Amino acid sequence: GIQVEQSPPDLILQEGANSTLRCNFSDSVNNLQWFHQNPWGQLINLFYIPSGTKQNGRLSATTVATERYSLLYISSSQTTDSGVYFCAVYWAGNQFYFGTGTSLTVIP
Amino acid sequence: EAGVVQSPRYKIIEKKQPVAFWCNPISGHNTLYWYLQNLGQGPELLIRYENEEAVDDSQLPKDRFSAERLKGVDSTLKIQPAELGDSAVYLCASSFSRNTEAFFGQGTRLTVV
Repeated sequence: GIQVEQSPPDLILQEGANSTLRCNFSDSVNNLQWFHQNPWGQLINLFYIPSGTKQNGRLSATTVATERYSLLYISSSQTTDSGVYFCAVYWAGNQFYFGTGTSLTVIP
Repeated sequence: EAGVVQSPRYKIIEKKQPVAFWCNPISGHNTLYWYLQNLGQGPELLIRYENEEAVDDSQLPKDRFSAERLKGVDSTLKIQPAELGDSAVYLCASSFSRNTEAFFGQGTRLTVV
């Protein structure tokens, strides 16, 4: 199967700081999504981004499909950004494979 | 528009008992997924439906797990009998079609004691 690795595995930020999360995948994919799993376990859609760059408020994402990676940028972090961030790739036309996740803690 | 709805949110059962989870996908979504998430890990696929057809159930432990999606809308996932190792969060997701944006429900947290 495909390997989906995220880095860093854990990240602690001071409120207001910026960060970059990375998602590497080992094969060509059909699409890619970024999710935020909040402390209550809900997976919240952030971006549906098979390629290119998208922005939504303080968050933006870039996927370079030819080089098999995606980046999630968080600017001016807030305590509500805490949680686990997952990338998920749609591979071989059958299912989403989730990455290993990045656990983010934003401290006031 | 309502999102993906799952029930119950929490379930505690004794081992060897049966349990069932229910999922109502977003209206018009033809593809439905059941995922299992263990603590500290990413979700892993159990089964995928295209309308009422199960097209990928290779990771579903068929000796104790079963699923159905009658009429291609709501779906139920059943475990019988439950084991201690089945304690996890069970997530349902739907998308308009395969390979399109997927949306997840809030999940059912199962504890087997």
